[in-house]
Amino acid sequence: DIQMTQSPSALSASLGDRVTITCRASQDISKYLNWYQQKPGKAPKLLIYDASNLETGVPSRFSGSGTGTDFTFTISRLEPEDIATYYCQQYDNIPREVTFGGGTKVEIK
Amino acid sequence: QVQLVESGGGVVQPGRSLRLSCAASGFTFSSFGMHWVRQAPGKGLEWVALISFDGTNKYYSDSVRGRFTISRDNSKKTLYLEMNSLGPEDTAVYFCVQLGYWNWGQGTMVTVSS
Repeated sequence: DIQMTQSPSALSASLGDRVTITCRASQDISKYLNWYQQKPGKAPKLLIYDASNLETGVPSRFSGSGTGTDFTFTISRLEPEDIATYYCQQYDNIPREVTFGGGTKVEIK
Repeated sequence: QVQLVESGGGVVQPGRSLRLSCAASGFTFSSFGMHWVRQAPGKGLEWVALISFDGTNKYYSDSVRGRFTISRDNSKKTLYLEMNSLGPEDTAVYFCVQLGYWNWGQGTMVTVSS
């Protein structure tokens, strides 16, 4: 089974700050990684797919990079509406398995 | 637009069974695999099961294999999750998710408690 290690588990940043979250896979997953935003009581919302592609309608301050085992998610300038928990998710390219990172709770300092 | 609407959640006693449904619309349901994903209160996301577009292939997490059964009825555009031998550890919001495009339903809450 593929394990996803996401860090940090929580962070506090000021509005306008650059925020970076990392996700490490226990084995090579190529580009098969998504990033989600989840607000309390809501379903996760897809922000980034295939590691670096911005989902339609998602603000350009969100970005993703990486391939293989190491991935990064960045919010270039933190906005009040970005307060949420963010998850990475790997998906087998022959879809048999899906694994989520443990999540990163982003708060305002 | 894609819509996924889960139903069937509720409060159930330990050891009992429950069946969840997910009604799909806005896309060709019979062309897509579908997942169930769950989230325990205050916890992260946990993948539960996957079914192929035609229902012939099914995959489960270790935590539910042998107790849960995923199925689908493409004529009704509906996904199911039959849950047996439920325990407190199964208490969670259960989401259905479209494979590939990663559209999610709003979730249905299952509480296992005596």
